[in-house]
Amino acid sequence: SQQGEEDPQALSIQEGENATMNCSYKTSINNLQWYRQNSGRGLVHLILIRSNEREKHSGRLRVTLDTSKKSSSLLITASRAADTASYFCATDDEAAGNKLTFGGGTRVLVKP
Amino acid sequence: SQTIHQWPATLVQPVGSPLSLECTVEGTSNPNLYWYRQAAGRGLQLLFYSVGIGQISSEVPQNLSASRPQDRQFILSSKKLLLSDSGFYLCAWSLRDRDNTEAFFGQGTRLTVV
Repeated sequence: SQQGEEDPQALSIQEGENATMNCSYKTSINNLQWYRQNSGRGLVHLILIRSNEREKHSGRLRVTLDTSKKSSSLLITASRAADTASYFCATDDEAAGNKLTFGGGTRVLVKP
Repeated sequence: SQTIHQWPATLVQPVGSPLSLECTVEGTSNPNLYWYRQAAGRGLQLLFYSVGIGQISSEVPQNLSASRPQDRQFILSSKKLLLSDSGFYLCAWSLRDRDNTEAFFGQGTRLTVV
């Protein structure tokens, strides 16, 4: 089964609004990462948050991590049409050589 | 700088034909290597994972196999393709560092089995 599961599966917002998506996981992790995928392309790394961190910012991105609840959230502020993409969380399995497992993703549509 | 090459970009193959997708990484040594498959509009399914030459972990029993003949070369193969093998295949690498497991992806191969 997938280690990370994103919620919601799809999100449609207007340009300028904030987009929030969540990720839940099951095992112990070293870090949690968020990736972006434009249609038909490879994934691009956005941000990594370590297990001992609770919040991290990068430009218009804000990531939180709650290890007690085994969950993370990604917030994109002041969204732009160019933010339209699928967003995935990924967790590393320390017990398995830090292999990365991805969730099902959230498809975000930002309408101009 | 590190780069990853994955080819071909698209492939149409008949049922029962063999498959060989190749992925190579430049600019790093001893990477972790991954093959993922993505169905349309879905998440990534980890197929194979390798921490070194000849070391392959299979995540899902299936019609596919993987090999790592060289440190920076990862090959996905099938002897006889099935219709269900259609999908978007992604190769990726990451450092073998528990504190930095960021993955770098190739551009993917869209495989259609007809």
